Amino acid sequence: QQQVKQSPQSLIVQKGGISIINCAYENTAFDYFPWYQQFPGKGPALLIAIRPDVSEKKEGRFTISFNKSAKQFSLHIMDSQPGDSATYFCAARGGGADGLTFGKGTHLIIQP
Amino acid sequence: ETGVTQSPTHLIKTRGQQVTLRCSSQSGHNTVSWYQQALGQGPQFIFQYYREEENGRGNFPPRFSGLQFPNYSSELNVNALELDDSALYLCASSWWGGYYEQYFGPGTRLTVT
Repeated sequence: QQQVKQSPQSLIVQKGGISIINCAYENTAFDYFPWYQQFPGKGPALLIAIRPDVSEKKEGRFTISFNKSAKQFSLHIMDSQPGDSATYFCAARGGGADGLTFGKGTHLIIQP
Repeated sequence: ETGVTQSPTHLIKTRGQQVTLRCSSQSGHNTVSWYQQALGQGPQFIFQYYREEENGRGNFPPRFSGLQFPNYSSELNVNALELDDSALYLCASSWWGGYYEQYFGPGTRLTVT
C-alpha cells in the first residue's frame, strides 16, 4: 500500500515558469512533510519541509503549500531554472522511530 | 561541518553472498537511518539506529541487519543476497529529538549478479 502518492511522474517547464508537484497522503499520524531533490548518481538533498500546523512555508524560490483537511501538499518552484532539472521526492513521517515514507518521484526538466 | 559519507561507492556481489556497507553520520548527529532505492523509485526505509540499538524498522526481512558504533557511524549488512537487492543504498543521519530533518549521503550502488 502506497501511503504517499506523488504526481505528475514527469514534468517539463519552460525557464522562468512555475513548477508544481503534488502529493497526497493517507496516514493521519504523519506530522512532518519534507521535499527532497535528487540529481543522477547523488543522494537526495533536503530542500524544504513543513509541519501540519502551518499552511505554507517559503524558502527562496521554493514554497510548500499544505492542506491538512484534504491530506495534500505541494511544492512550487518559482522562476524555474535549468539547474533545477532533477528528480523531486515528497515524503512524510509519523512520530517515534518511523522512517520517511517517500513518493515515487517526479522527473522535472526545465527547458532553456 | 562534515556531511554524511558512505563507502564503498560501488559494489558487485554474487547471489547468495553477504555484503557490508558503511556510513559515517554528519557531525553533531546521533541517529542513522538506512534506505534502499531501486532504480526509478523513491527510497524505502530499512531501519534506524539510535544509541547503538535498532529502534525502528521498515518492511525488510531479518537478513538485513545493522550496527551503530559509539561514534555514531553505522553498518548495513545484507546476508544471502538476492538479485532484487540490487539498488542504491542510502544512509541518512539526524539528531534524535530534533525536527526529523534527515540528511542523506551519496549512497552505495550494489549490483547483485
